[in-house]
Amino acid sequence: QVQLVQSGAEVKKPGASVKVSCKASGYTFTSYGISWVRQAPGQGLEWMGWISAYNGNTNYAQKLQGRVTMTTDTSTSTAYMELRSLRSDDTAVYYCARGCSSTSCYNGLDYWGQGTLVTVSS
Amino acid sequence: QSVLTQPPSVSEAPRQRVTISCSGSSSNIGNNAVNWYQQLPGKAPKLLIYYDDLLPSGVSDRFSGSKSGTSASLAISGLQSEDEADYYCAAWDDSLNGYVFGTGTKVTVL
Repeated sequence: QVQLVQSGAEVKKPGASVKVSCKASGYTFTSYGISWVRQAPGQGLEWMGWISAYNGNTNYAQKLQGRVTMTTDTSTSTAYMELRSLRSDDTAVYYCARGCSSTSCYNGLDYWGQGTLVTVSS
Repeated sequence: QSVLTQPPSVSEAPRQRVTISCSGSSSNIGNNAVNWYQQLPGKAPKLLIYYDDLLPSGVSDRFSGSKSGTSASLAISGLQSEDEADYYCAAWDDSLNGYVFGTGTKVTVL
């Protein structure tokens, strides 16, 4: 069965960086893209960007351009999301999810990781 | 601030039908497929509807989606207590070149 398993909770100070991992199993990793979505406490869902597991192409949300980097390691079927210059309003649960492309998302995000809580606090 | 607008909450009695609206524009709903997600308390979102009105395998047929112009709707028939959750619409936005989620709707079963 398809599974996305994320790394554990993180506590960071303002200005620091965080890197969250997402290990995929149960399907051919390079056949699908991975999207990252975050949710601040009590708030809605926010798409952060997408990476192709096939060739590493990326598409980042305009709001996060310059602060976020998404990568993959095909040898371990793992996707990574690094966010730099953390601020208090980056405190959120971060999800990886399978699906979308660089220019569309007709089929939606069909499998999700369990979420990783990142807390930014001095 | 999301570009897709949903009502903050809807409520209805068990076994009744509720509809959740999602209003967008020509750059998102009007030109791209709409997806719907269900998020149970403390859980990751789950894909409910894709490509406007298609159900993923395993999703109850009590859920249905529709789209007209720049608006979309999710209907839940035969409402059950287990349907209490937050529901989000989503679509690609050509102007933003990104995927946008709706503001979210909390469904309460009375």
